[in-house]
Amino acid sequence: QVQLVESGGGLVKPGGSLRLSCAASGFSFSDYYMSWIRQPPGKGLEWVSYISAGSSRYTNYADSVKGRFTISRDTAKNSLHLQMNSLRAEDTAIYYCARDGRGYSSSWYDYWGQGTLVTVSS
Amino acid sequence: EIVMTQSPATLSVSPGERATLSCRAGQSVSTNLAWYQHKPGQAPRLLIYGASTRATGIPARFSGSGSGTEFTLTISSLQSEDFALYYCQQYNNWPPEVTFGGGTKVEIK
Repeated sequence: QVQLVESGGGLVKPGGSLRLSCAASGFSFSDYYMSWIRQPPGKGLEWVSYISAGSSRYTNYADSVKGRFTISRDTAKNSLHLQMNSLRAEDTAIYYCARDGRGYSSSWYDYWGQGTLVTVSS
Repeated sequence: EIVMTQSPATLSVSPGERATLSCRAGQSVSTNLAWYQHKPGQAPRLLIYGASTRATGIPARFSGSGSGTEFTLTISSLQSEDFALYYCQQYNNWPPEVTFGGGTKVEIK
């Protein structure tokens, strides 16, 4: 069955960096667009970034993280990553890895991980 | 940005009763609308996409309807496992954009 397992969250000071990972299994990882979605405490869900399938590796980011976050994928290891730099208090959230349902730059998400908590605080 | 508004914020329902959740888009998204169920500490679960297509393994008591700016998720007979948070999400084709509603909490009456 499809499984997505995030890791790498933790407590970091403002201005610091963190790298999140998502281990994928149970499907052909290279065939699917993948996304990161976050949920700040007490708030709703916010799309963060996506990366396309195959070798094109097209990426896009929410304006709130553009220039600070970088999404990447390692198809040999079936893993998705999010490098987060220049972190701010408002980046505090549970970060979810999700599989895109239709292979397009905007999509529904048919499988999600359980999330990893990122806390940005001094 | 397309703003998604869900109502009510909280819905109190007795087991076995029908629940009707609403989602409104700030502009037309055609039928590019999904619904998710989310329980604390768990992965969100896709229920509906394309406004009315049930995802794999979703029970028939969940149904979605609507198009344009007004959408509805109906749970025909609430089971104990259905008490959770529900989110709608639009995925506009052009320009490509994804936004979520603020959620509706379905609680036991």
